[in-house]
Amino acid sequence: DTGVSQDPRHKITKRGQNVTFRCDPISEHNRLYWYRQTLGQGPEFLTYFQNEAQLEKSRLLSDRFSAERPKGSFSTLEIQRTEQGDSAMYLCASSLRAGGSSAYNEQFFGPGTRLTVL
Amino acid sequence: KNEVEQSPQNLTAQEGEFITINCSYSVGISALHWLQQHPGGGIVSLFMLSSGKKKHGRLIATINIQEKHSSLHITASHPRDSAVYICAVDPPSGSRLTFGEGTQLTVNP
Repeated sequence: DTGVSQDPRHKITKRGQNVTFRCDPISEHNRLYWYRQTLGQGPEFLTYFQNEAQLEKSRLLSDRFSAERPKGSFSTLEIQRTEQGDSAMYLCASSLRAGGSSAYNEQFFGPGTRLTVL
Repeated sequence: KNEVEQSPQNLTAQEGEFITINCSYSVGISALHWLQQHPGGGIVSLFMLSSGKKKHGRLIATINIQEKHSSLHITASHPRDSAVYICAVDPPSGSRLTFGEGTQLTVNP
């Protein structure tokens, strides 16, 4: 399977614990995105990388959240001191950003990691 | 006011009906996406368009750039079309997507 994969698919944790999610993008894709989706809402942008550089972070990404993409391939999203409000689906997507001002940006999504904070 | 708004939020149809979901946006875009999300979370891209109209099987997507409006049509709807349909826009910089809240479609047999 050459799609975007995420691990784990489900995570249940207690408030105050740290959690880490992993995303493996499509291998030739240079852009990787993290989104969060709560029940009944559309996804919200968290952050994105182009290769290993983190180019943008949402103000939703508090100092308890950190994301890395050290070698420009897989990425991790860590949440420290989890709170019940962090319960959501965390979605990863990847795309191939070609050059040019009108380059399209079709994103391919992973299955998501559903986090439940008790 | 959200940058991307969809209507309706919920839609129930009988099998075979023609369905339209609307999306309006208030920002400049390079492209607009229609996505499908089934229970369990997986998101699949249906269309990406920047002008005109695209058709894939029973699905048709149109966009009017001047009016900042797009529609997704489903002809001869089927229960397997039941899902959440999400509109998302790509800014001119081509960075992250901004999403609508989604339209929950239920097609009854």
